[in-house]
Amino acid sequence: SQQGEEDPQALSIQEGENATMNCSYKTSINNLQWYRQNSGRGLVHLILIRSNEREKHSGRLRVTLDTSKKSSSLLITASRAADTASYFCATSFNYKLTFGKGTLLTVNP
Amino acid sequence: DVKVTQSSRYLVKRTGEKVFLECVQDMDHENMFWYRQDPGLGLRLIYFSYDVKMKEKGDIPEGYSVSREKKERFSLILESASTNQTSMYLCASGSQGNQPQHFGDGTRLSIL
Repeated sequence: SQQGEEDPQALSIQEGENATMNCSYKTSINNLQWYRQNSGRGLVHLILIRSNEREKHSGRLRVTLDTSKKSSSLLITASRAADTASYFCATSFNYKLTFGKGTLLTVNP
Repeated sequence: DVKVTQSSRYLVKRTGEKVFLECVQDMDHENMFWYRQDPGLGLRLIYFSYDVKMKEKGDIPEGYSVSREKKERFSLILESASTNQTSMYLCASGSQGNQPQHFGDGTRLSIL
């Protein structure tokens, strides 16, 4: 399995701080995607980074990818209480996504 | 916006029953997927379909089957429900290739 593994499993920060989540995976990928899931809801796609890209930005999100280390990180800057959710990385290969177990982020007001 | 609609948010069934979970997407996506999500195990792929009447097994297909008679609809079938199939079931759709998937809000299924 090329399941991604997020680190840490849980993260608690204060509003305004930055949050960094890491993801490691095992095999080849076409791209790596990050998703967010609010409690009791479905997943929402946040950002996709291709295997030949090293960094990508979208609003307050910054994603890096290091294919030599088979790892990625998601940085959320200036966090808000509304960012409280579970965050998942997913590796994409041959049309399928393989998800990690997620990081639960809590942003305290 | 893409909309993926799952027929039920909550469902309670009894062991041995045949259970149908329905999913409809409105974006003409070729690919559709069924996952189950369990605490500590994350999302696991049950089945996916890349075209009408086509299906492929995912990582945990045992005890499940699927049907895709129309492009917009993908059904998950529990042939004879068991208590270990109590879980959150998530449907997703996506366009061709390794593109982002769009998820429904999930069906929380309890098998008693």
